[in-house]
Amino acid sequence: KNEVEQSPQNLTAQEGEFITINCSYSVGISALHWLQQHPGGGIVSLFMLSSGKKKHGRLIATINIQEKHSSLHITASHPRDSAVYICAVKHTGGTSYGKLTFGQGTILTVHP
Amino acid sequence: NAGVTQTPKFRVLKTGQSMTLLCAQDMNHEYMYWYRQDPGMGLRLIHYSVGEGTTAKGEVPDGYNVSRLKKQNFLLGLESAAPSQTSVYFCASSRHGLAGGGYEQYFGPGTRLTVT
Repeated sequence: KNEVEQSPQNLTAQEGEFITINCSYSVGISALHWLQQHPGGGIVSLFMLSSGKKKHGRLIATINIQEKHSSLHITASHPRDSAVYICAVKHTGGTSYGKLTFGQGTILTVHP
Repeated sequence: NAGVTQTPKFRVLKTGQSMTLLCAQDMNHEYMYWYRQDPGMGLRLIHYSVGEGTTAKGEVPDGYNVSRLKKQNFLLGLESAAPSQTSVYFCASSRHGLAGGGYEQYFGPGTRLTVT
């Protein structure tokens, strides 16, 4: 079983819909990252959070440390949101070099 | 600032050939990383560096070597390429990773390598 599991693997939505992508992990973590990978391949960091909730524009990320679960929400989705969304966790313990374990990604397609 | 850059963007190698991928960052970051991304799998760490002159193995280091002679550059070498090394390679950098949450990583645009 992967240490980081994302669901769904593929998600199709109509423009304007509210979208939720889930990430569950099985290890102790000190932080969780949400990344966005555009069709051209570039990867951008969206959020880094260790508790609670963060918001940036139409994007909201939440984390529940006790349940080992995080969600990424997109409000009023738009075709330009079409991308792969990747969850990554930083393990507690060990060295402090910022090593991340990545989920397989969720492919989001938003149709006009 | 250019952020993190990678060269080349694309490369095709024959089995047994060697090559070096160059990663450069202009953010004065201490930490640099090389990842590979394969279909159906998450990004996997190949090697990383916590500062100039230091390198360490990640999850999948076999068949690769790295060097960090200058703080801004992190080189990934393939001494004898194999078809299993066909992948997309990403370089990333971050500020020093304190115990705890660490800092966000900034990624380069990727290098698509095909080994035939």
